[in-house]
Amino acid sequence: AQSVTQPDIHITVSEGASLELRCNYSYGATPYLFWYVQSPGQGLQLLLKYFSGDTLVQGIKGFEAEFKRSQSSFNLRKPSVHWSDAAEYFCAVAMDNYGQNFVFGPGTRLSVLP
Amino acid sequence: DTAVSQTPKYLVTQMGNDKSIKCEQNLGHDTMYWYKQDSKKFLKIMFSYNNKELIINETVPNRFSPKSPDKAHLNLHINSLELGDSAVYFCASSKGGLQETQYFGPGTRLLVL
Repeated sequence: AQSVTQPDIHITVSEGASLELRCNYSYGATPYLFWYVQSPGQGLQLLLKYFSGDTLVQGIKGFEAEFKRSQSSFNLRKPSVHWSDAAEYFCAVAMDNYGQNFVFGPGTRLSVLP
Repeated sequence: DTAVSQTPKYLVTQMGNDKSIKCEQNLGHDTMYWYKQDSKKFLKIMFSYNNKELIINETVPNRFSPKSPDKAHLNLHINSLELGDSAVYFCASSKGGLQETQYFGPGTRLLVL
């Protein structure tokens, strides 16, 4: 069965610093890849997704992610973090369009220092 | 107007009871989903429902059943509630599957005593 790992449970960065959140997956084929953000007490919001094509994906709120097939990774980046980015971030993979084998990583909590 | 709404927001009940959580979307989307987030924030998809086709996560107990009276609603029924069912349940919808952006509801926090 496929799995998703997010090696960092908690990351703290200063406001204005760059950010990279790691995501690795284990699956035989290329899955669909997603990053979601969850602010405290809120539902999830899709930041970006990769289905095919350009391996560098632009998302909302200034985030981007790069799919690297050789490393089975889909790391999320932002050049300059804002205090409002403090939240929980989830990487997810799916094998089809309707949720079959749709698996989330354990999440990375981002704290932002003023 | 709320795009995806859930009721109730909080639900406290006893073990063994049967309960329902309602979800409505006013986005005209074709696909709706239910997710469970446990106390450790681990997220799991439970169901997706598209044009009367139900895709079930095989790990979901059959005590859980989605019911869709129409395209705008996907309710979650839970029979014989257990302590381990305590979690936050999120409903979501999208225009045509995961390749489209999913919009999530605010969640229903279920506590089973």
